[in-house]
Amino acid sequence: AQSVTQLDSHVSVSEGTPVLLRCNYSSSYSPSLFWYVQHPNKGLQLLLKYTSAATLVKGINGFEAEFKKSETSFHLTKPSAHMSDAAEYFCAGNGGSQGNLIFGKGTKLSVKP
Amino acid sequence: EPEVTQTPSHQVTQMGQEVILRCVPISNHLYFYWYRQILGQKVEFLVSFYNNEISEKSEIFDDQFSVERPDGSNFTLKIRSTKLEDSAMYFCASRRQGPLRGYTFGSGTRLTVV
Repeated sequence: AQSVTQLDSHVSVSEGTPVLLRCNYSSSYSPSLFWYVQHPNKGLQLLLKYTSAATLVKGINGFEAEFKKSETSFHLTKPSAHMSDAAEYFCAGNGGSQGNLIFGKGTKLSVKP
Repeated sequence: EPEVTQTPSHQVTQMGQEVILRCVPISNHLYFYWYRQILGQKVEFLVSFYNNEISEKSEIFDDQFSVERPDGSNFTLKIRSTKLEDSAMYFCASRRQGPLRGYTFGSGTRLTVV
């Protein structure tokens, strides 16, 4: 991907309601796309990745994302938010032939009780 | 599950000092990376390393930075003369041969330059 855009800097949901975190990409070739989660003062944990296989990708902790080429999107969803989901989420795509990743600016997810 | 290990977790250094950030990638991985995340900002690619040489670097990776794989297990990032703006979280990552297989990040080193 030449660029990755996360459309929302902050998303707030109530516990038990659905989560939607949006990511769009631009790429002149078939991209590989990733979602990472970062809890405060922690590293990057891989949630899921798309590498040109099934367009609906299931990840850890009940998250999934759908690759839509026509919309150049790779939005992250979860049917029911949990308090422990509160964190920063980063969408990333492959940025070059050597495998470096390009990250979006991140979306901070807040979960209200 | 195999991990990428970074040490130290937090380093404080004075401006102008040299720092070395250390990483132990996963043992059968062949591609190694450093990324940087300034507080509150996105993660940025610094450099990739393959077959004992730099394979790609960003414009951030200037002459103040260098990388080395000194002994076949460690992968280090050296900042020669630190500046205040080098304060950031630095992530090491590694992956296997093939299309982005096994891409794994370490938990990061928080560098604070004072």
